[in-house]
Amino acid sequence: DAGVTQSPTHLIKTRGQQVTLRCSPKSGHDTVSWYQQALGQGPQFIFQYYEEEERQRGNFPDRFSGHQFPNYSSELNVNALLLGDSALYLCASSLGGRSYEQYFGPGTRLTVT
Amino acid sequence: ILNVEQSPQSLHVQEGDSTNFTCSFPSSNFYALHWYRWETAKSPEALFVMTLNGDEKKKGRISATLNTKEGYSYLYIKGSQPEDSATYLCSGSARQLTFGSGTQLTVLP
Repeated sequence: DAGVTQSPTHLIKTRGQQVTLRCSPKSGHDTVSWYQQALGQGPQFIFQYYEEEERQRGNFPDRFSGHQFPNYSSELNVNALLLGDSALYLCASSLGGRSYEQYFGPGTRLTVT
Repeated sequence: ILNVEQSPQSLHVQEGDSTNFTCSFPSSNFYALHWYRWETAKSPEALFVMTLNGDEKKKGRISATLNTKEGYSYLYIKGSQPEDSATYLCSGSARQLTFGSGTQLTVLP
């Protein structure tokens, strides 16, 4: 039973560039949530996708966007990268559009220089 | 959105010691309280989900309690072992999960 997978593991980008992070949910899950964890803080909710639509959104600017595919995998896109976007980005999957019992991936470490 | 706070921020204990840490949250607009264990370079692992006031959950040497009326949860580790070293995160869920900043536990052999 495959758990949540994320790619890439690490990524280095330059200010102003754009980045795409990918997530495959746990087998049988249909809901994907994205979180940003900056150093010294807990994960901050970015948004959640269910049935290929953004269902909930945290306090993040429009530079952060996403997509969910018919196979339930998801992408997180960040445009016009800022130094402050450097963080660990976590993906979590769950069932039925709920936040209950989320399973997390190992994260993608993004460094913006 | 809930405001979830955890204390202490970090903790060093000797192997064999028992320890506990706290997660506090506003008692209104509460739905569920989640505890996660997060080892370095691994995925956060769910420990407990609690919803009812007075809930107590146990998994091996780790247990947790929930008080929704006063807005806190305790996580206890009995007889800490070096492999318990990790960051312990709690999160409250209304429509989405709101995490505290975690308690980093180091168990010294």
